[in-house]
Amino acid sequence: ETGVTQTPRHLVMGMTNKKSLKCEQHLGHNAMYWYKQSAKKPLELMFVYNFKEQTENNSVPSRFSPECPNSSHLFLHLHTLQPEDSALYLCATRTLGGDEKLFFGSGTQLSVL
Amino acid sequence: AQTVTQSQPEMSVQEAETVTLSCTYDTSENNYYLFWYKQPPSRQMILVIRQEAYKQQNATENRFSVNFQKAAKSFSLKISDSQLGDTAMYFCAFTSVDNYGQNFVFGPGTRLSVLP
Repeated sequence: ETGVTQTPRHLVMGMTNKKSLKCEQHLGHNAMYWYKQSAKKPLELMFVYNFKEQTENNSVPSRFSPECPNSSHLFLHLHTLQPEDSALYLCATRTLGGDEKLFFGSGTQLSVL
Repeated sequence: AQTVTQSQPEMSVQEAETVTLSCTYDTSENNYYLFWYKQPPSRQMILVIRQEAYKQQNATENRFSVNFQKAAKSFSLKISDSQLGDTAMYFCAFTSVDNYGQNFVFGPGTRLSVLP
């Protein structure tokens, strides 16, 4: 148990489906991140939320839509994805101005058919 | 833009032996942090060790230590007395202090196998 929980652990979806990934943290952190991890590629930053406000959108296609309703929850809404979007999606959290390190969840392995 | 390079896609080591993983980075920043993260088959990224750039002393955490060469922009990880549980992907990462650590930049990773 690390304090950052991601659900679902695995997700298979068709290109026309709509689904959501969920991240929940119990660490009292105030910054939350979405990263994409594809095979044989470095982790790619997607979005950053500081104090529930989006501060970073790393040129992510609009078929990915983040939502941060409070400091404990982060969602990634998915619609009309492409097969190349298949990857491991990792949520991470940290405390701004505090200990400079990220705490990660176990990720959601997404397969787009 | 910062970049992190790990030149060893895969490595292996015998149990109880020592192995060193390489990492180089490129930045124009002077104040930053460097990290080594471990990702076992469970997929969760776990922090192994952290180095603050303004500290000359190399960080150590039990069997894990780093060789931080700031001028050369090199940050290698040494694992002593390797154990089977050390088998994992290892990622080197960088974050700048000056931009409030908005982005942690990761290298492509090194897959380490510890052999019995």
